[in-house]
Amino acid sequence: QQQVKQSPQSLIVQKGGIPIINCAYENTAFDYFPWYQQFPGKGPALLIAIRPDVSEKKEGRFTISFNKSAKQFSLHIMDSQPGDSATYFCAASIASGTYKYIFGTGTRLKVLA
Amino acid sequence: GAVVSQHPSWVICKSGTSVKIECRSLDFQATTMFWYRQFPKQSLMLMATSNEGSKATYEQGVEKDKFLINHASLTLSTLTVTSAHPEDSSFYICSAREDGREQYFGPGTRLTVT
Repeated sequence: QQQVKQSPQSLIVQKGGIPIINCAYENTAFDYFPWYQQFPGKGPALLIAIRPDVSEKKEGRFTISFNKSAKQFSLHIMDSQPGDSATYFCAASIASGTYKYIFGTGTRLKVLA
Repeated sequence: GAVVSQHPSWVICKSGTSVKIECRSLDFQATTMFWYRQFPKQSLMLMATSNEGSKATYEQGVEKDKFLINHASLTLSTLTVTSAHPEDSSFYICSAREDGREQYFGPGTRLTVT
């Protein structure tokens, strides 16, 4: 019940495409869902995060869609660029608790020039 | 703002020795710090959560006596890998948060045990 399932494992898109990464969770106590971007040999960097009281959030080229009833959320990257090639992780946590994150398995994105 | 640093960024040690990794919050007071381990091409696995001045809470399956965590101040936590073995070779990442705020991650420390 503590798992966060992420798909796909890897993704290749052309420059300008809109890659979509999906995550699903079981624990309904989760109330904070961040997305992280990680480059090889670096720590993860926060991209965008959402709470379950909204269905969509946009920040720049990044959009999170959230479906509370389905217990699913997804990341969309608009107008993707080669510099977006990285590994993306979704996570879930209980904000009122220890705030520890349960990470998804990661998606390796490659954007072709 | 919200910068977390780690030192060293890369360390090689011999099997049987101990190695200490530092995690610092540079511009905020970290009431909680987390330590993660990441194997190549895998996700981050939480090892332990520490609050300043308290004993760390370890995740199931993480050996407390092997991975010693100290959170002595609001800006510093250390992870000591004791009696390191080659299977402890990994990428260790810390994160830190202030009450009511996000978790911010450090750049990671690559540990290689020979």
